[in-house]
Amino acid sequence: GQSLEQPSEVTAVEGAIVQINCTYQTSGFYGLSWYQQHDGGAPTFLSYNGLDGLEETGRFSSFLSRSDSYGYLLLQELQMKDSASYFCAVRDRSTDKLIFGTGTRLQVFP
Amino acid sequence: DTAVSQTPKYLVTQMGNDKSIKCEQNLGHDTMYWYKQDSKKFLKIMFSYNNKELIINETVPNRFSPKSPDKAHLNLHINSLELGDSAVYFCASSQGTGGRNEQFFGPGTRLTVL
Repeated sequence: GQSLEQPSEVTAVEGAIVQINCTYQTSGFYGLSWYQQHDGGAPTFLSYNGLDGLEETGRFSSFLSRSDSYGYLLLQELQMKDSASYFCAVRDRSTDKLIFGTGTRLQVFP
Repeated sequence: DTAVSQTPKYLVTQMGNDKSIKCEQNLGHDTMYWYKQDSKKFLKIMFSYNNKELIINETVPNRFSPKSPDKAHLNLHINSLELGDSAVYFCASSQGTGGRNEQFFGPGTRLTVL
């Protein structure tokens, strides 16, 4: 089965850089995705790493290392609107289910 | 142009009642899902349909019954509601399965069972 662990909460100030880690126990998956969810809102897709390495999309970057069973989401030039919950997720190869991590609540302060 | 829509957005009901949540997507996707998000924000898949066919059926009480009349719609009917069913239910859709498979979520239905 799959389990993905994330820190429950991270705080930072506007303009800073923050890294949200995701460590996983898995028996096989396609790749690592990240989703953002604002309070009261729906999860929205941010990024996908199918291969090891860094993927950059604007202020957000995501990293995967399969050998270390580890990934992270890096948010740069933080803005107040980045305050949200962030979830890593993997798609299990055998069941095709998208398994979500425990979620990290990011609070950005002025 | 709403991509994935759900109704109702809020649902407050008494224990023992039966209720339904409707979901529609206009993205032309083949696969639709129901997720449950509990009070700790843990997001877990319940069901998945691909072209109207059930492909994922998690360990969910059989009081929960999904129905897909066509590939653009996936409804969720819940019988004999219990207090523990209180949660936010999200519908989602994606094109195909496997790999990147970006999922598009509806706005959610907050169910409160009293």
